[in-house]
Parts: sequence; structure tokens; C-alpha cells
Amino acid sequence: SQTIHQWPATLVQPVGSPLSLECTVEGTSNPNLYWYRQAAGRGLQLLFYSVGIGQISSEVPQNLSASRPQDRQFILSSKKLLLSDSGFYLCAWSPDYLVFFGPGTRLTVL
Amino acid sequence: AQSVTQLGSHVSVSEGALVLLRCNYSSSVPPYLFWYVQYPNQGLQLLLKYTTGATLVKGINGFEAEFKKSETSFHLTKPSAHMSDAAEYFCAVSDRYTGNQFYFGTGTSLTVIP
Repeated sequence: SQTIHQWPATLVQPVGSPLSLECTVEGTSNPNLYWYRQAAGRGLQLLFYSVGIGQISSEVPQNLSASRPQDRQFILSSKKLLLSDSGFYLCAWSPDYLVFFGPGTRLTVL
Repeated sequence: AQSVTQLGSHVSVSEGALVLLRCNYSSSVPPYLFWYVQYPNQGLQLLLKYTTGATLVKGINGFEAEFKKSETSFHLTKPSAHMSDAAEYFCAVSDRYTGNQFYFGTGTSLTVIP
């Protein structure tokens, strides 16, 4: 069966510090991968999606970036965090028309 | 472009009462439709999905939803609310031809009153 991992589970970072969130998927190959952000009191915002290694599509311009160095690895990064980057970050994968979510990372920027 | 609208960001029902969470979509062609549930500090879990065939779909935990093309709706219902149903619910759509992108509503927080 397929499993999706995210780490860390929680993270507290100061404004201006860098960010790296990692997501890995097990038990599948060549999945579509996604990063979503869920801010307090708001819905899910699609940040990036990837249909293959090195292929990244950005949905919202911001100070975040994503990379897919391996087939089942998806990384969300920032060089300098802003207060508005606080939120719950969800990685997801899709084999076809369904999407499955990881456990999420709670990011607090102070 | 596709979009999803969930009417009512907060819904409260008494335990044992009917649960009705509304979802309308905007799409040029009927999309795939989904409902997800999210418990605090957890990822989203698929409740049910509609792709083709019978328009009334049944999901986990006693939930069901009906696709109504004429109303572009996919409302989620449960006959009798349980305390454990308290959570955030998200309606979502994806394009049935590309399937690469998923669009979510802003969510509805369900409170169950004992």
C-alpha cells in the first residue's frame, strides 16, 4: 500500500529564517505531487504541483519554492520566511483522479 | 477554470439530527467530485467520491452525497449526527480529463451539540 510521510510535524521559525519541508511517498512510482497550505480559518490553497522529476508548476506567486529531486520526494523551501507563511502545510499525492494527503506540518513563524 | 463554493463556514447540529453540508461547483464539464474530512491537526481523509454512474454515493462513517448536474451541486448528508463527526469538511473537484489539479472549497466546520 502507499504511504505518504511529511516532516517535521511541527516547526517554529523566526521571521527571515530559511525553510525546508520534506515529503516522501512510498509504494508508488511517478505520482503527481502537491503542496497545499491551510491558513487559520481559510481553506486549502494549492501552492505547487509536480507531474514528474524536476517538473514544478506554481499556482501562487510568493516567497516559497518547490523542488522534486527524486520521483517520490517533494520539498517545499523558502529563503526568508514571512509572518504570513504561518499555516498548516499539506503534501499530497495522486495516482489518477484521487488525491491522498500526508499528515501535515504545522509551521509557526514568529 | 473550476471553482468550489461551500455555503456556511460553520454548521452546528444536535447529536442525532440531520447533517447537511452544501457544495456547489463551477465547471464547463461535470468534474470528479469529492468530500474530505479533516480532524484537528491531521491531514485530509477521503469521505466519498463521485466519478460516474449512480449519482448518490455512499462514503465512510454513514455519510453520503448526491451529484445533481442541473444544480451543479454535491451536498453531503448524514441522517443522524454523532459527536465524532465534529470536524472540518472540504468539498473538492478535479478535471475528469486532465486529473492533475484539485480544487477545494474553503471548508465547513461541523459542530455537534450533545
